[in-house]
Amino acid sequence: AQKVTQAQTEISVVEKEDVTLDCVYETRDTTYYLFWYKQPPSGELVFLIRRNSFDEQNEISGRYSWNFQKSTSSFNFTITASQVVDSAVYFCALSEATGGFKTIFGAGTRLFVKA
Amino acid sequence: EADIYQTPRYLVIGTGKKITLECSQTMGHDKMYWYQQDPGMELHLIHYSYGVNSTEKGDLSSESTVSRIRTEHFPLTLESARPSHTSQYLCASSEFGQGKNTEAFFGQGTRLTVV
Repeated sequence: AQKVTQAQTEISVVEKEDVTLDCVYETRDTTYYLFWYKQPPSGELVFLIRRNSFDEQNEISGRYSWNFQKSTSSFNFTITASQVVDSAVYFCALSEATGGFKTIFGAGTRLFVKA
Repeated sequence: EADIYQTPRYLVIGTGKKITLECSQTMGHDKMYWYQQDPGMELHLIHYSYGVNSTEKGDLSSESTVSRIRTEHFPLTLESARPSHTSQYLCASSEFGQGKNTEAFFGQGTRLTVV
């Protein structure tokens, strides 16, 4: 069965600090996809990144970077030089072949960035 | 930009009423989902569909029902609303098929309050 764990319920940082959001997943499949989404206070879910299980390359996009490690079943997300606008709930999600590729979400990490 | 629309955005309704939450997408996606989420909390998958005439129950038991008569339309119905149904309902869609398991695109959600 697929499962996503985001152990950090809330994180509070001061602007310009770096922050890492942890995501650990469980799956028995060799074919799966991992995602990160952002949910700002307005409520809509914004897609940030997708990774498939065959691509362990890390990725950087501006102030965002993602570290995918199959050996530890982790897909962590780092925001460099955080800004107040980064304040949101961040969700990690998993979609696996056995589950018919339905997308299951972690519980989310609420990030507060203070000015 | 995702083209998936939910109506209404907000709904306050009395106990016992029948309601239908609408969801439409113009991307031609085969897969569609309904998630239930209390504000800022975990997303729970309640229904999904692989295509026309396909509907599956998600991981969270729900008294709601869905139908998929057209690719672009995936309405959710509650036959008799109760206060315990008060929540936010998020609709999403994604591609499905060989090598096409992309991220889910989300609508803006329907905030339902049953009084």
